[in-house]
Amino acid sequence: NAGVTQTPKFRVLKTGQSMTLLCAQDMNHEYMYWYRQDPGMGLRLIHYSVGEGTTAKGEVPDGYNVSRLKKQNFLLGLESAAPSQTSVYFCASSPGQVRGDTQYFGPGTRLTVL
Amino acid sequence: AQSVTQLDSQVPVFEEAPVELRCNYSSSVSVYLFWYVQYPNQGLQLLLKYLSGSTLVKGINGFEAEFNKSQTSFHLRKPSVHISDTAEYFCAVSEPYSGAGSYQLTFGKGTKLSVIP
Repeated sequence: NAGVTQTPKFRVLKTGQSMTLLCAQDMNHEYMYWYRQDPGMGLRLIHYSVGEGTTAKGEVPDGYNVSRLKKQNFLLGLESAAPSQTSVYFCASSPGQVRGDTQYFGPGTRLTVL
Repeated sequence: AQSVTQLDSQVPVFEEAPVELRCNYSSSVSVYLFWYVQYPNQGLQLLLKYLSGSTLVKGINGFEAEFNKSQTSFHLRKPSVHISDTAEYFCAVSEPYSGAGSYQLTFGKGTKLSVIP
């Protein structure tokens, strides 16, 4: 049982390049999330999904797109990377809509945009 | 929207000493509160959570937290810390988000705990 995995672990991009981050979970969770973590800012929600085929915007969605074609996968895309998107990105999943559900986090992807 | 304030950005403490990491929240309704820990170069994992019932919540690795409604606080404590407790700790509150039945976590900015040998 791998839990939540993220690919890649590290990436360096040049301004204007595009890339996709992959998140996979093997816990059959309905909900999945993408966060970014910046020093002194805590975690901020980018986008989330409440089930296969659905996505919704979080607190800081600009410059990102997401897709959830399969229940176990949640992709985060950057169409034209900017230095302001340099951050550590975390994916998380939770079982469902219960308010007290625990979110399970992946190990993170460290992205640098030059 | 609810908010979470972690009063200390960094807390140094000697090994085997007690520690308290402070967290205050803003809410006028019932709250669900969480503490997550992030070890260096890892993702977050749940330490403990308060949903209802007893105000003293016990978590993993000997940590506990007390929910205080009158002071709107949810401070994290450990009576004796170890080197392995060096990590960043995040307090979070669960709140309704846009969309039917959707709840999201709002995180504090984190407290870095450094345990000194």
